[in-house]
Amino acid sequence: NAGVMQNPRHLVRRRGQEARLRCSPMKGHSHVYWYRQLPEEGLKFMVYLQKENIIDESGMPKERFSAEFPKEGPSILRIQQVVRGDSAAYFCASSPADNEQFFGPGTRLTVL
Amino acid sequence: KQEVTQIPAALSVPEGENLVLNCSFTDSAIYNLQWFRQDPGKGLTSLLLIQSSQREQTSGRLNASLDKSSGRSTLYIAASQPGDSATYLCAGGHAGKSTFGDGTTLTVKP
Repeated sequence: NAGVMQNPRHLVRRRGQEARLRCSPMKGHSHVYWYRQLPEEGLKFMVYLQKENIIDESGMPKERFSAEFPKEGPSILRIQQVVRGDSAAYFCASSPADNEQFFGPGTRLTVL
Repeated sequence: KQEVTQIPAALSVPEGENLVLNCSFTDSAIYNLQWFRQDPGKGLTSLLLIQSSQREQTSGRLNASLDKSSGRSTLYIAASQPGDSATYLCAGGHAGKSTFGDGTTLTVKP
């Protein structure tokens, strides 16, 4: 059983471009969580999704950020019109139920 | 709002020493407490998960305890090794999210 997969592992974008981060949960996991780790800071919750539903997006900025977890395919975290302050490591986690979370390796976004 | 605090922020010990990392949380309505390890520039590795109904979990040289009434968890590392050097994070799970502490950066000197 492969672990949580995230791609790309590293992403470089210029200010104003769009960033799309993908997360494939572990097999059999229907719960996905996204966290952001800013440089020299801890992990902060962004959004919690189940298949086709956003359960909690209280940690996600209201503008430019969106997330989805379609019936088929990976979960996508989308950042529009990126700014330098979006540079961070974005981690995805999955769980079979609302319990123990298994984390992916992260996507490191650099905005030039 | 849940807040998780880890003390100390950094710790340096000689190889072979036993050590304790501390984690405190403000809202006791957590349903689990997870300890992770993070190496520089890497992802998170889950070390131990304690369900809210449990008091402790053990894995090899690691032992984690949970006291919900006092809002505390500890991670005990026995006979530390240089390979244990990393940042250790605790996270309280509640209502579909985990709230993380800022971590304790451990350095084990040979």
